[in-house]
Amino acid sequence: AQKITQTQPGMFVQEKEAVTLDCTYDTSDQSYGLFWYKQPSSGEMIFLIYQGSYDEQNATEGRYSLNFQKARKSANLVISASQLGDSAMYFCAMREGDTGFQKLVFGTGTRLLVSP
Amino acid sequence: SAVISQKPSRDICQRGTSLTIQCQVDSQVTMMFWYRQQPGQSLTLIATANQGSEATYESGFVIDKFPISRPNLTFSTLTVSNMSPEDSSIYLCSVSDRVNTEAFFGQGTRLTVV
Repeated sequence: AQKITQTQPGMFVQEKEAVTLDCTYDTSDQSYGLFWYKQPSSGEMIFLIYQGSYDEQNATEGRYSLNFQKARKSANLVISASQLGDSAMYFCAMREGDTGFQKLVFGTGTRLLVSP
Repeated sequence: SAVISQKPSRDICQRGTSLTIQCQVDSQVTMMFWYRQQPGQSLTLIATANQGSEATYESGFVIDKFPISRPNLTFSTLTVSNMSPEDSSIYLCSVSDRVNTEAFFGQGTRLTVV
């Protein structure tokens, strides 16, 4: 069964607008973590934001926020005020368990293109 | 946060040869992971590198093809053996620690097999 689902292969947004990248997940664990990474064409994986399953508040990091809806098992990434440099692949990932000892399982990614 | 140096950043190799990728971390970390990203695909875990013991491989990956070393808590290597064009991918090492929730990644190694 797919653990992480990203249904948007590609998204387009105009500069300065906000965009939401969708992510749903599947787990039977009570404790888990959700991650978003950005991968530019250079190939590196840049950590953006983290949400723990027990965190009551939605995570925010600058222009990035995570819309965490636990009952729906969704963890959408919201990028506000898009910039041209935001054009990249975006991956949602999940870690099951409450330590750093478990692997990350990644979704298939969403390619974001920001136009002037 | 951990700083990870991964070498080489890219390479073009002949089929049938082997390439060893190095991952150096600036601090001691408990867990090191090796991922593969085939062209246009997502990341898939190859194995977890355990210090002082053999690596733990995911389904579909075997030690003969991807031998891993983890001599200490700051260093690991992944070898891609007897390469074929299907091994052309980005290989990434990742580290994680009990204290931090974030998983840090190296810059990746972009491998092309011709």
